[in-house]
Amino acid sequence: DIQVTQSPSTLSASVGDRVTITCRASQSISFWLAWYQQRPGKAPRLLIYDASVLESGVPSRFSGSGSETEFTLTISSLQPDDFATYYCQPYNSLSPFGQGTKVEIK
Amino acid sequence: EVQLVESGGGFVQPGGSLRLSCTASGFTFRSYWMSWVRQAPGKRLERVANMNEDGSEKYFVDSVKGRFTSSRDNAKNSLYLEMNSLRVEDTAVYYCARVRSFGPSYYYFDQWGQGTLVTVSS
Repeated sequence: DIQVTQSPSTLSASVGDRVTITCRASQSISFWLAWYQQRPGKAPRLLIYDASVLESGVPSRFSGSGSETEFTLTISSLQPDDFATYYCQPYNSLSPFGQGTKVEIK
Repeated sequence: EVQLVESGGGFVQPGGSLRLSCTASGFTFRSYWMSWVRQAPGKRLERVANMNEDGSEKYFVDSVKGRFTSSRDNAKNSLYLEMNSLRVEDTAVYYCARVRSFGPSYYYFDQWGQGTLVTVSS
């Protein structure tokens, strides 16, 4: 099974900061990767699919890049609503979600 | 507006059963694969089950095979998860999610319900 490792597990940042989260796959998954945001006590929300395609309605400060085994989610200028946990998810049903990256206020 | 509303969660003893429901609105339910995804307290998200448009194909994570079943009623825009022989490790928030699928093995989730909490404890 293909495993993914997200880093960091926790990230402390301030409003306006540029933030980057990494997801590494144990084998190539082409561009078959999605990113989700989960605010405390809320359902996940799809942000990015196909590694770099912004879901409709998601602010343009979010972007995704990468392919094969290394992927990044970038928030260009962190906003108060962005303090949340972010998960990557390979499309392959045998691969787990990433373990999550909590973005907290510095 | 797409809405997915789960219900049926609660407290149950180990070995017990629960039936979760998910009612969909705002989209053509019968045209989509649907899934159940769960999240144990403080843990990552985990796929539990998914089902094709007419319910003829169903897939389950190994840890629930033989214990959980799923079904759907397209006339009622509803998805169900029947959970039997529940274990403490099944304790989680269970989400109903709409699938964007490239087949039964490659998919992601574009809409989520608010979740329903299942607590299995003695």
